[in-house]
Amino acid sequence: DTAVSQTPKYLVTQMGNDKSIKCEQNLGHDTMYWYKQDSKKFLKIMFSYNNKELIINETVPNRFSPKSPDKAHLNLHINSLELGDSAVYFCASSQANRMNTEAFFGQGTRLTVV
Amino acid sequence: GENVEQHPSTLSVQEGDSAVIKCTYSDSASNYFPWYKQELGKRPQLIIDIRSNVGEKKDQRIAVTLNKTAKHFSLHITETQPEDSAVYFCAASTQAGTALIFGKGTTLSVSS
Repeated sequence: DTAVSQTPKYLVTQMGNDKSIKCEQNLGHDTMYWYKQDSKKFLKIMFSYNNKELIINETVPNRFSPKSPDKAHLNLHINSLELGDSAVYFCASSQANRMNTEAFFGQGTRLTVV
Repeated sequence: GENVEQHPSTLSVQEGDSAVIKCTYSDSASNYFPWYKQELGKRPQLIIDIRSNVGEKKDQRIAVTLNKTAKHFSLHITETQPEDSAVYFCAASTQAGTALIFGKGTTLSVSS
């Protein structure tokens, strides 16, 4: 069974459109994340979310918004897509115990804005 | 906030040689330091991690060292093999539940 799964794997869309990427984890983790990996492979945190708190990286445009219907899901909505949004987006999850633990990543969604 | 620097950005070695990747971090509160391997077109996957109460950890051909005073940690791969070729990322985080902050990655190429 896939621990963290994202859909779709590929997404091609035109500038100005609104799109969503879905993420689900079956690990029972209480914290989920969204990362953006640009063409230079840099993994940049966008959001951290658990049932108590949403932490937003201040550099993320407000066109991006996470939505969590329940603990196992953290979807990413993007409004008014721009060319610079093209990247691979990774969802991840971890368990926020006393000690830090491994973050498990989804397979990624390659977003191409044309 | 935390900032993680990683060097080198690319590393080419011959099969059987050792490879060393170094990272520094800025936040003295950071206490968890994982290393991830990302093969082309795949997701990042944990290969080894170390916590701030440990100075060194080894798992077969892979070892990680941590110097809390100097705020740097390193990944050592011995007897490299072609299948070790990938992008390696170091990361750091503070309290549980906070996001990992990644270095910019090292592309390791192992030629046979």
